[in-house]
Amino acid sequence: DTGVSQDPRHKITKRGQNVTFRCDPISEHNRLYWYRQTLGQGPEFLTYFQNEAQLEKSRLLSDRFSAERPKGSFSTLEIQRTEQGDSAMYLCASSSPTSGRAYEQFFGPGTRLTVL
Amino acid sequence: AQTVTQSQPEMSVQEAETVTLSCTYDTSESDYYLFWYKQPPSRQMILVIRQEAYKQQNATENRFSVNFQKAAKSFSLKISDSQLGDAAMYFCAYRRGGGAQKLVFGQGTRLTINP
Repeated sequence: DTGVSQDPRHKITKRGQNVTFRCDPISEHNRLYWYRQTLGQGPEFLTYFQNEAQLEKSRLLSDRFSAERPKGSFSTLEIQRTEQGDSAMYLCASSSPTSGRAYEQFFGPGTRLTVL
Repeated sequence: AQTVTQSQPEMSVQEAETVTLSCTYDTSESDYYLFWYKQPPSRQMILVIRQEAYKQQNATENRFSVNFQKAAKSFSLKISDSQLGDAAMYFCAYRRGGGAQKLVFGQGTRLTINP
């Protein structure tokens, strides 16, 4: 069990460019969550997958944002036509309903996005 | 909608002393969980302690304990014998019961430990 990993750890882009982040959950965790955390604030929920199905999306997830989890393992979060307001830390978390700690979400280190 | 409020943006404590971080929440649900997460500088968030709403007994994990006041919708974290490694952002979080549920976080409290 190597924990939740995210790639890249840092991304600097220019306004208007597209970016894609990847999250690899803990193996056999079928639930995967994306959160966004701006400086000095708590994380805010973006979206959640159970296996490959995207079951909930926040209103924060505008049409420029899209998330996928094609095979129920890793997930990608894409932001199209980035804006300066997209600058934030993007956190991924995973959980498993069958583990002894089903209530707990395990977080990755995050991807810090800076839009210039 | 559920909300979580942490009214202390920053707290500091002397090493080996005790500190209490405050959290209030608002919900109309009866089945829910409350959590305290720790986010050290440039490191990932980890769970410190959890409390099930249906349990009257306050949760304890080593030096960490909570004071859960359900009627007042208050959920404070007490850290005893503070250590330098306790320095971090602490987030209070709420989750509805049943299945997979998103976490709703407070704004966080930055805890500094003075040696």
